Amino acid sequence: DAEITQSPRHKITETGRQVTLACHQTWNHNNMFWYRQDLGHGLRLIHYSYGVHDTNKGEVSDGYSVSRSNTEDLPLTLESAASSQTSVYFCASGTGLGETQYFGPGTRLLVL
Amino acid sequence: SQQGEEDPQALSIQEGENATMNCSYKTSINNLQWYRQNSGRGLVHLILIRSNEREKHSGRLRVTLDTSKKSSSLLITASRAADTASYFCATFNAGGTSYGKLTFGQGTILTVHP
Repeated sequence: DAEITQSPRHKITETGRQVTLACHQTWNHNNMFWYRQDLGHGLRLIHYSYGVHDTNKGEVSDGYSVSRSNTEDLPLTLESAASSQTSVYFCASGTGLGETQYFGPGTRLLVL
Repeated sequence: SQQGEEDPQALSIQEGENATMNCSYKTSINNLQWYRQNSGRGLVHLILIRSNEREKHSGRLRVTLDTSKKSSSLLITASRAADTASYFCATFNAGGTSYGKLTFGQGTILTVHP
């Protein structure tokens, strides 16, 4: 069955370190998204991609970057982790614009 | 900025009762979607309703959309303890600054007591 996976599921890091969160989908979807979920803010879009080599900034993109070298993967990099980036991160993929999104299980990140 | 706002923020009911959650939004939309999130898990898509539709059903779920009032409701009939979760609405607008993206509300926490 097609799925979307995230790794690691839990991560503890120190302020200033570079961190990469992996997202891999086997749906063969063109569209992929990264969100962060925080209490009081719901889900906020960080970056998104509509295809290979395409990346776009979302509403909370500062301090994050993504690259899309193939259809299946959209890794999210925190350039220099900050305590404000402690959050739960969700990756999602979808087919058409604005259509159903399929979410991964999430990565819980703690920045100390 | 939040496009969808769910109401109530939390809802507690007994098994067998119906649960109704509401979502209001500010700008025009192409579609509105409802998602469920169980504790510690990712979001799961429930229903998508397009702007030209007024009502949609899926099993025990019924979604209505009133574009004149910019609001939607999700009704879960004959609720079960397994329906305990957070429910989010998400809106899609093909134009403007939110081009191509879903905008999520903050969710309603539903607790169904056995």
